[in-house]
Amino acid sequence: DVQLVESGGGLVHPGGSLRLSCAASGFTVDGHYMSWVRQAPGKGLEFISALYRPDLTYHTDSVKGRFIVSRDDASNTLFLQMNNLAVDDTAVYYCARGGGYTYGYAFDLWGQGTLVTVSA
Amino acid sequence: VVLTQSPDTLSLSPGERATLSCRVSQHLDSIYLAWYQQKPGHPPRLLIYGASNRATGIPDRFSGSGSGTDFTLTISRLEPEDFAVYYCQEYGSTFGQGTRLEIK
Repeated sequence: DVQLVESGGGLVHPGGSLRLSCAASGFTVDGHYMSWVRQAPGKGLEFISALYRPDLTYHTDSVKGRFIVSRDDASNTLFLQMNNLAVDDTAVYYCARGGGYTYGYAFDLWGQGTLVTVSA
Repeated sequence: VVLTQSPDTLSLSPGERATLSCRVSQHLDSIYLAWYQQKPGHPPRLLIYGASNRATGIPDRFSGSGSGTDFTLTISRLEPEDFAVYYCQEYGSTFGQGTRLEIK
């Protein structure tokens, strides 16, 4: 099956760190534009990080300097290292696959999401 | 780039036609405009890519149109399962704030 499975979410105190994983199957992450999208409780979708290739990544301003996106080709996994977490980072975090130029890089495959809760 | 969707909430009955709007703050090549559907507790699902192309498995009652800065998602005859939140997105990045389609 072609799928993405996130893990690594949980409860963390403000200032703490978490590392999210997104395991891909049925395709290789190194052949695709991969992203992280989060959704705070009751809110809309927020595009936060993307990896085009290991030397070309993007992070939205609100997470720049705190979050790092990376991938491991051997395990076919995308990661999101989250440091200095704040209460406002509480959200469900989704990884998503970009469908390539033909799709205008729209996200044609999504994981089920992993919940990150930042609370004292 | 800012994407502004309207209305925020749309109340309609099954069988009616739904028209959702997405306005982009600067000209966008239509290949880079996508629409998603999200139901509570589920990840988003790609409906439309390239402004007007239905994704795999999407019923033909869903259609997309538009160019430049104004794009539209139309659902021709609403089915009960269509009541959800809809998002537009540009270039595999920024999302609009969403339109909630609710049962009247």
